Amino acid sequence: KAGVTQTPRYLIKTRGQQVTLSCSPISGHRSVSWYQQTPGQGLQFLFEYFSETQRNKGNFPGRFSGRQFSNSRSEMNVSTLELGDSALYLCASSLPTAGEAFFGQGTRLTVV
Amino acid sequence: GQNIDQPTEMTATEGAIVQINCTYQTSGFNGLFWYQQHAGEAPTFLSYNVLDGLEEKGRFSSFLSRSKGYSYLLLKELQMKDSASYLCAVGLSGGSYIPTFGRGTSLIVHP
Repeated sequence: KAGVTQTPRYLIKTRGQQVTLSCSPISGHRSVSWYQQTPGQGLQFLFEYFSETQRNKGNFPGRFSGRQFSNSRSEMNVSTLELGDSALYLCASSLPTAGEAFFGQGTRLTVV
Repeated sequence: GQNIDQPTEMTATEGAIVQINCTYQTSGFNGLFWYQQHAGEAPTFLSYNVLDGLEEKGRFSSFLSRSKGYSYLLLKELQMKDSASYLCAVGLSGGSYIPTFGRGTSLIVHP
């Protein structure tokens, strides 16, 4: 069974640009959540999607957005990038009634 | 608000036992998770406690006391490969199991 796949693995962007990250969950998993991980703040929850609807949202500005497609694949978008957006972005998928979340390898975003 | 506290760093000797504590104050509770994350890798699931008590899984055990807002992860017979960050996370209620994470405890195992 394939795990959670995130693409791309690494990205370098310039301040002011926008970026789109992709996440393919484990087959059969309909819940996809996104996290930002930085050395100072740890793992911070961005949002969760379930059946193409945003079900939960963390405390991030509106520049961070996401969506989920009918096949459960998800994308997150960050517009008007800032230096502080440099981080590892992790996606996790889970079954709707189970506790365990499976993480992808993440996308390392560097904003210069 | 949500508050999850765990020590920033711990060190231990190979073969020893170490206990990593986690305390939480959250507006909801839908279980407590422990994850392991090696440097440069994705977090991997270790345990999930929803009821009070001790859950044992090989060398790793996890304990939960909901009334005290307290959990610990116990690692026995430490190995060098156990050097990693250990993340405590609380699942919030509201029909979702999405965990809210603490900042993690960096465990260093030395010979």
